[in-house]
Amino acid sequence: AQSVTQLGSHVSVSEGALVLLRCNYSSSVPPYLFWYVQYPNQGLQLLLKYTSAATLVKGINGFEAEFKKSETSFHLTKPSAHMSDAAEYFCAVSPTGTASKLTFGTGTRLQVTL
Amino acid sequence: DTAVSQTPKYLVTQMGNDKSIKCEQNLGHDTMYWYKQDSKKFLKIMFSYNNKELIINETVPNRFSPKSPDKAHLNLHINSLELGDSAVYFCASSPLAKGTDTQYFGPGTRLTVL
Repeated sequence: AQSVTQLGSHVSVSEGALVLLRCNYSSSVPPYLFWYVQYPNQGLQLLLKYTSAATLVKGINGFEAEFKKSETSFHLTKPSAHMSDAAEYFCAVSPTGTASKLTFGTGTRLQVTL
Repeated sequence: DTAVSQTPKYLVTQMGNDKSIKCEQNLGHDTMYWYKQDSKKFLKIMFSYNNKELIINETVPNRFSPKSPDKAHLNLHINSLELGDSAVYFCASSPLAKGTDTQYFGPGTRLTVL
């Protein structure tokens, strides 16, 4: 079965600092990978996704992620954090088939301080 | 013009009661989902319908029964509510049922069972 592991349930950065949220996947074949963001009291919104095209994926709000097969990782980065980035971030995996079945990681809460 | 909407937003009820949550999407998507997010923010898929046909049915108690009257609607009925059913329930939709699909989430329904 496919799964993702998010290291760090809580990450705190200063405004303007680099954001790095870690996600490692477990799958016998390279899966499809997603990052979703959840702002307080809201639903989830897609940031970006890897679907076996380019390994460096750019998303919304200045975020990007790189698929590294050798490290089974799909870490999310942003060069400069903004206060509005404070939210819960979820990495998710979906099988490479005809079913869209997201399996989510446990989430990482990003706190941005002045 | 909300893409995926859910009603009600909040639901407070007593143990043993039966309740329903409604979901509607106006995106023209073929596939809809129900997810449960527990108090630790862990998200897990419950059901998925494609063109009104059930395609994913995770290990969910029989007390939970989804119904899709048409492609744009997916309702969730819960019988004999238990304390452990307290959670936020998210509806989502995607264009098809492919692993590459982006899922669009509703704002959630916070269910509290007393």
